[in-house]
Amino acid sequence: AQSVAQPEDQVNVAEGNPLTVKCTYSVSGNPYLFWYVQYPNRGLQFLLKYITGDNLVKGSYGFEAEFNKSQTSFHLKKPSALVSDSALYFCAVRDGDGGFKTIFGAGTRLFVKA
Amino acid sequence: GAGVSQSPSNKVTEKGKDVELRCDPISGHTALYWYRQRLGQGLEFLIYFQGNSAPDKSGLPSDRFSAERTGESVSTLTIQRTQQEDSAVYLCASSSWRSSYEQYFGPGTRLTVT
Repeated sequence: AQSVAQPEDQVNVAEGNPLTVKCTYSVSGNPYLFWYVQYPNRGLQFLLKYITGDNLVKGSYGFEAEFNKSQTSFHLKKPSALVSDSALYFCAVRDGDGGFKTIFGAGTRLFVKA
Repeated sequence: GAGVSQSPSNKVTEKGKDVELRCDPISGHTALYWYRQRLGQGLEFLIYFQGNSAPDKSGLPSDRFSAERTGESVSTLTIQRTQQEDSAVYLCASSSWRSSYEQYFGPGTRLTVT
């Protein structure tokens, strides 16, 4: 069975500083990894994904994530945070060798202060 | 085309009543997912469909919960004899192999059981 851990309930960062939102996963087969964002009063939106290939993947709004197989991690990063990045971020994993069931982490709330 | 739509957007019901929640996926998306999100919590997997079959129902909380899907189209999540702990936002998502199965979410149905 797959699982996802987001160890931080909340991350605070100053505008202009780099941000990292952490995610670790467990899956028996090849991991398909995703990040989604939920802005206040808006639906969940896809940010980026890792399926195969380059370990560094780039997504929407300047976000990127690095797949680290040995550490079973998929941390979300952005070089320079914006106040508008403040939202709830979810990491998700699917077992690429199995079915379509996708498990989401508990979410990390990002606060970017001006 | 249009995104994932869900109806109703809000539903208030009395404890013990049955409710039906509807999801219209993006046309051509073969996979459809249902999740539950309690206030301030992460996404809880309920069930997914591949076409009109449900290979994984492991997330359904109890036998009061059921879901069906017509072909690769509309899905209905039914909750019988609702309880106050069923109060949550119910999210539907759909996905396609063409996009490596990133999920596109509907706006959700907010269910309140009084």
